[in-house]
Amino acid sequence: AQKVTQTQTSISVMEKTTVTMDCVYETQDSSYFLFWYKQTASGEIVFLIRQDSYKKENATVGHYSLNFQKPKSSIGLIITATQIEDSAVYFCAMRGLTGNTRKLIFGLGTTLQVQP
Amino acid sequence: NAGVIQTPRHKVTGKGQEATLWCEPISGHSAVFWYRQTIVQGLEFLTYFRNQAPIDDSGMPKERFSAQMPNQSHSTLKIQSTQPQDSAVYLCASSLDRGRYAEQFFGPGTRLTVL
Repeated sequence: AQKVTQTQTSISVMEKTTVTMDCVYETQDSSYFLFWYKQTASGEIVFLIRQDSYKKENATVGHYSLNFQKPKSSIGLIITATQIEDSAVYFCAMRGLTGNTRKLIFGLGTTLQVQP
Repeated sequence: NAGVIQTPRHKVTGKGQEATLWCEPISGHSAVFWYRQTIVQGLEFLTYFRNQAPIDDSGMPKERFSAQMPNQSHSTLKIQSTQPQDSAVYLCASSLDRGRYAEQFFGPGTRLTVL
């Protein structure tokens, strides 16, 4: 069975610093996609960044980057130069590439609070 | 471009009533997904359509829940005889569903409250 675990319930950081959010996953699929989404206070869920399991290079988009450690089944999200607007709940998700399913398996989320 | 549209944004029903939730995917997206979000269970997959055909309904409760996609521009999730435990935010997402274009884009959700 596939599973995604985010052990950090909440994190508080000062503005303009760097934060890392942890995520570990379990899957029997040999290839898979890993995603990070952000849910704002209004409830909007926004796609941030994706890592393909067969790529060794860590994905980077703007001030978001990933720390992909495949042997550890770990995909950390790194946010550099944090801004107040980065305060949100961050979800890690996984999608296998076996069979017909395209469903995302989500972790329970990490709440990030960025303090001025 | 408009994102995924969901209506209504809020719905209140009495126990035992029916609720129908609507979703309009992003134009050109071939895959439509329904998820449910609660505080306790988090984000849970319900069902998935590709090119309007049902592909995976492994997350749908076997009774009272049904989903349809009669055309490429909308999908519905129907809950019959609603129960208080059905209270949740129901999220629709769409995707191009092609290899490198695997991201799912979410709508604002419908908050269902069953009294």
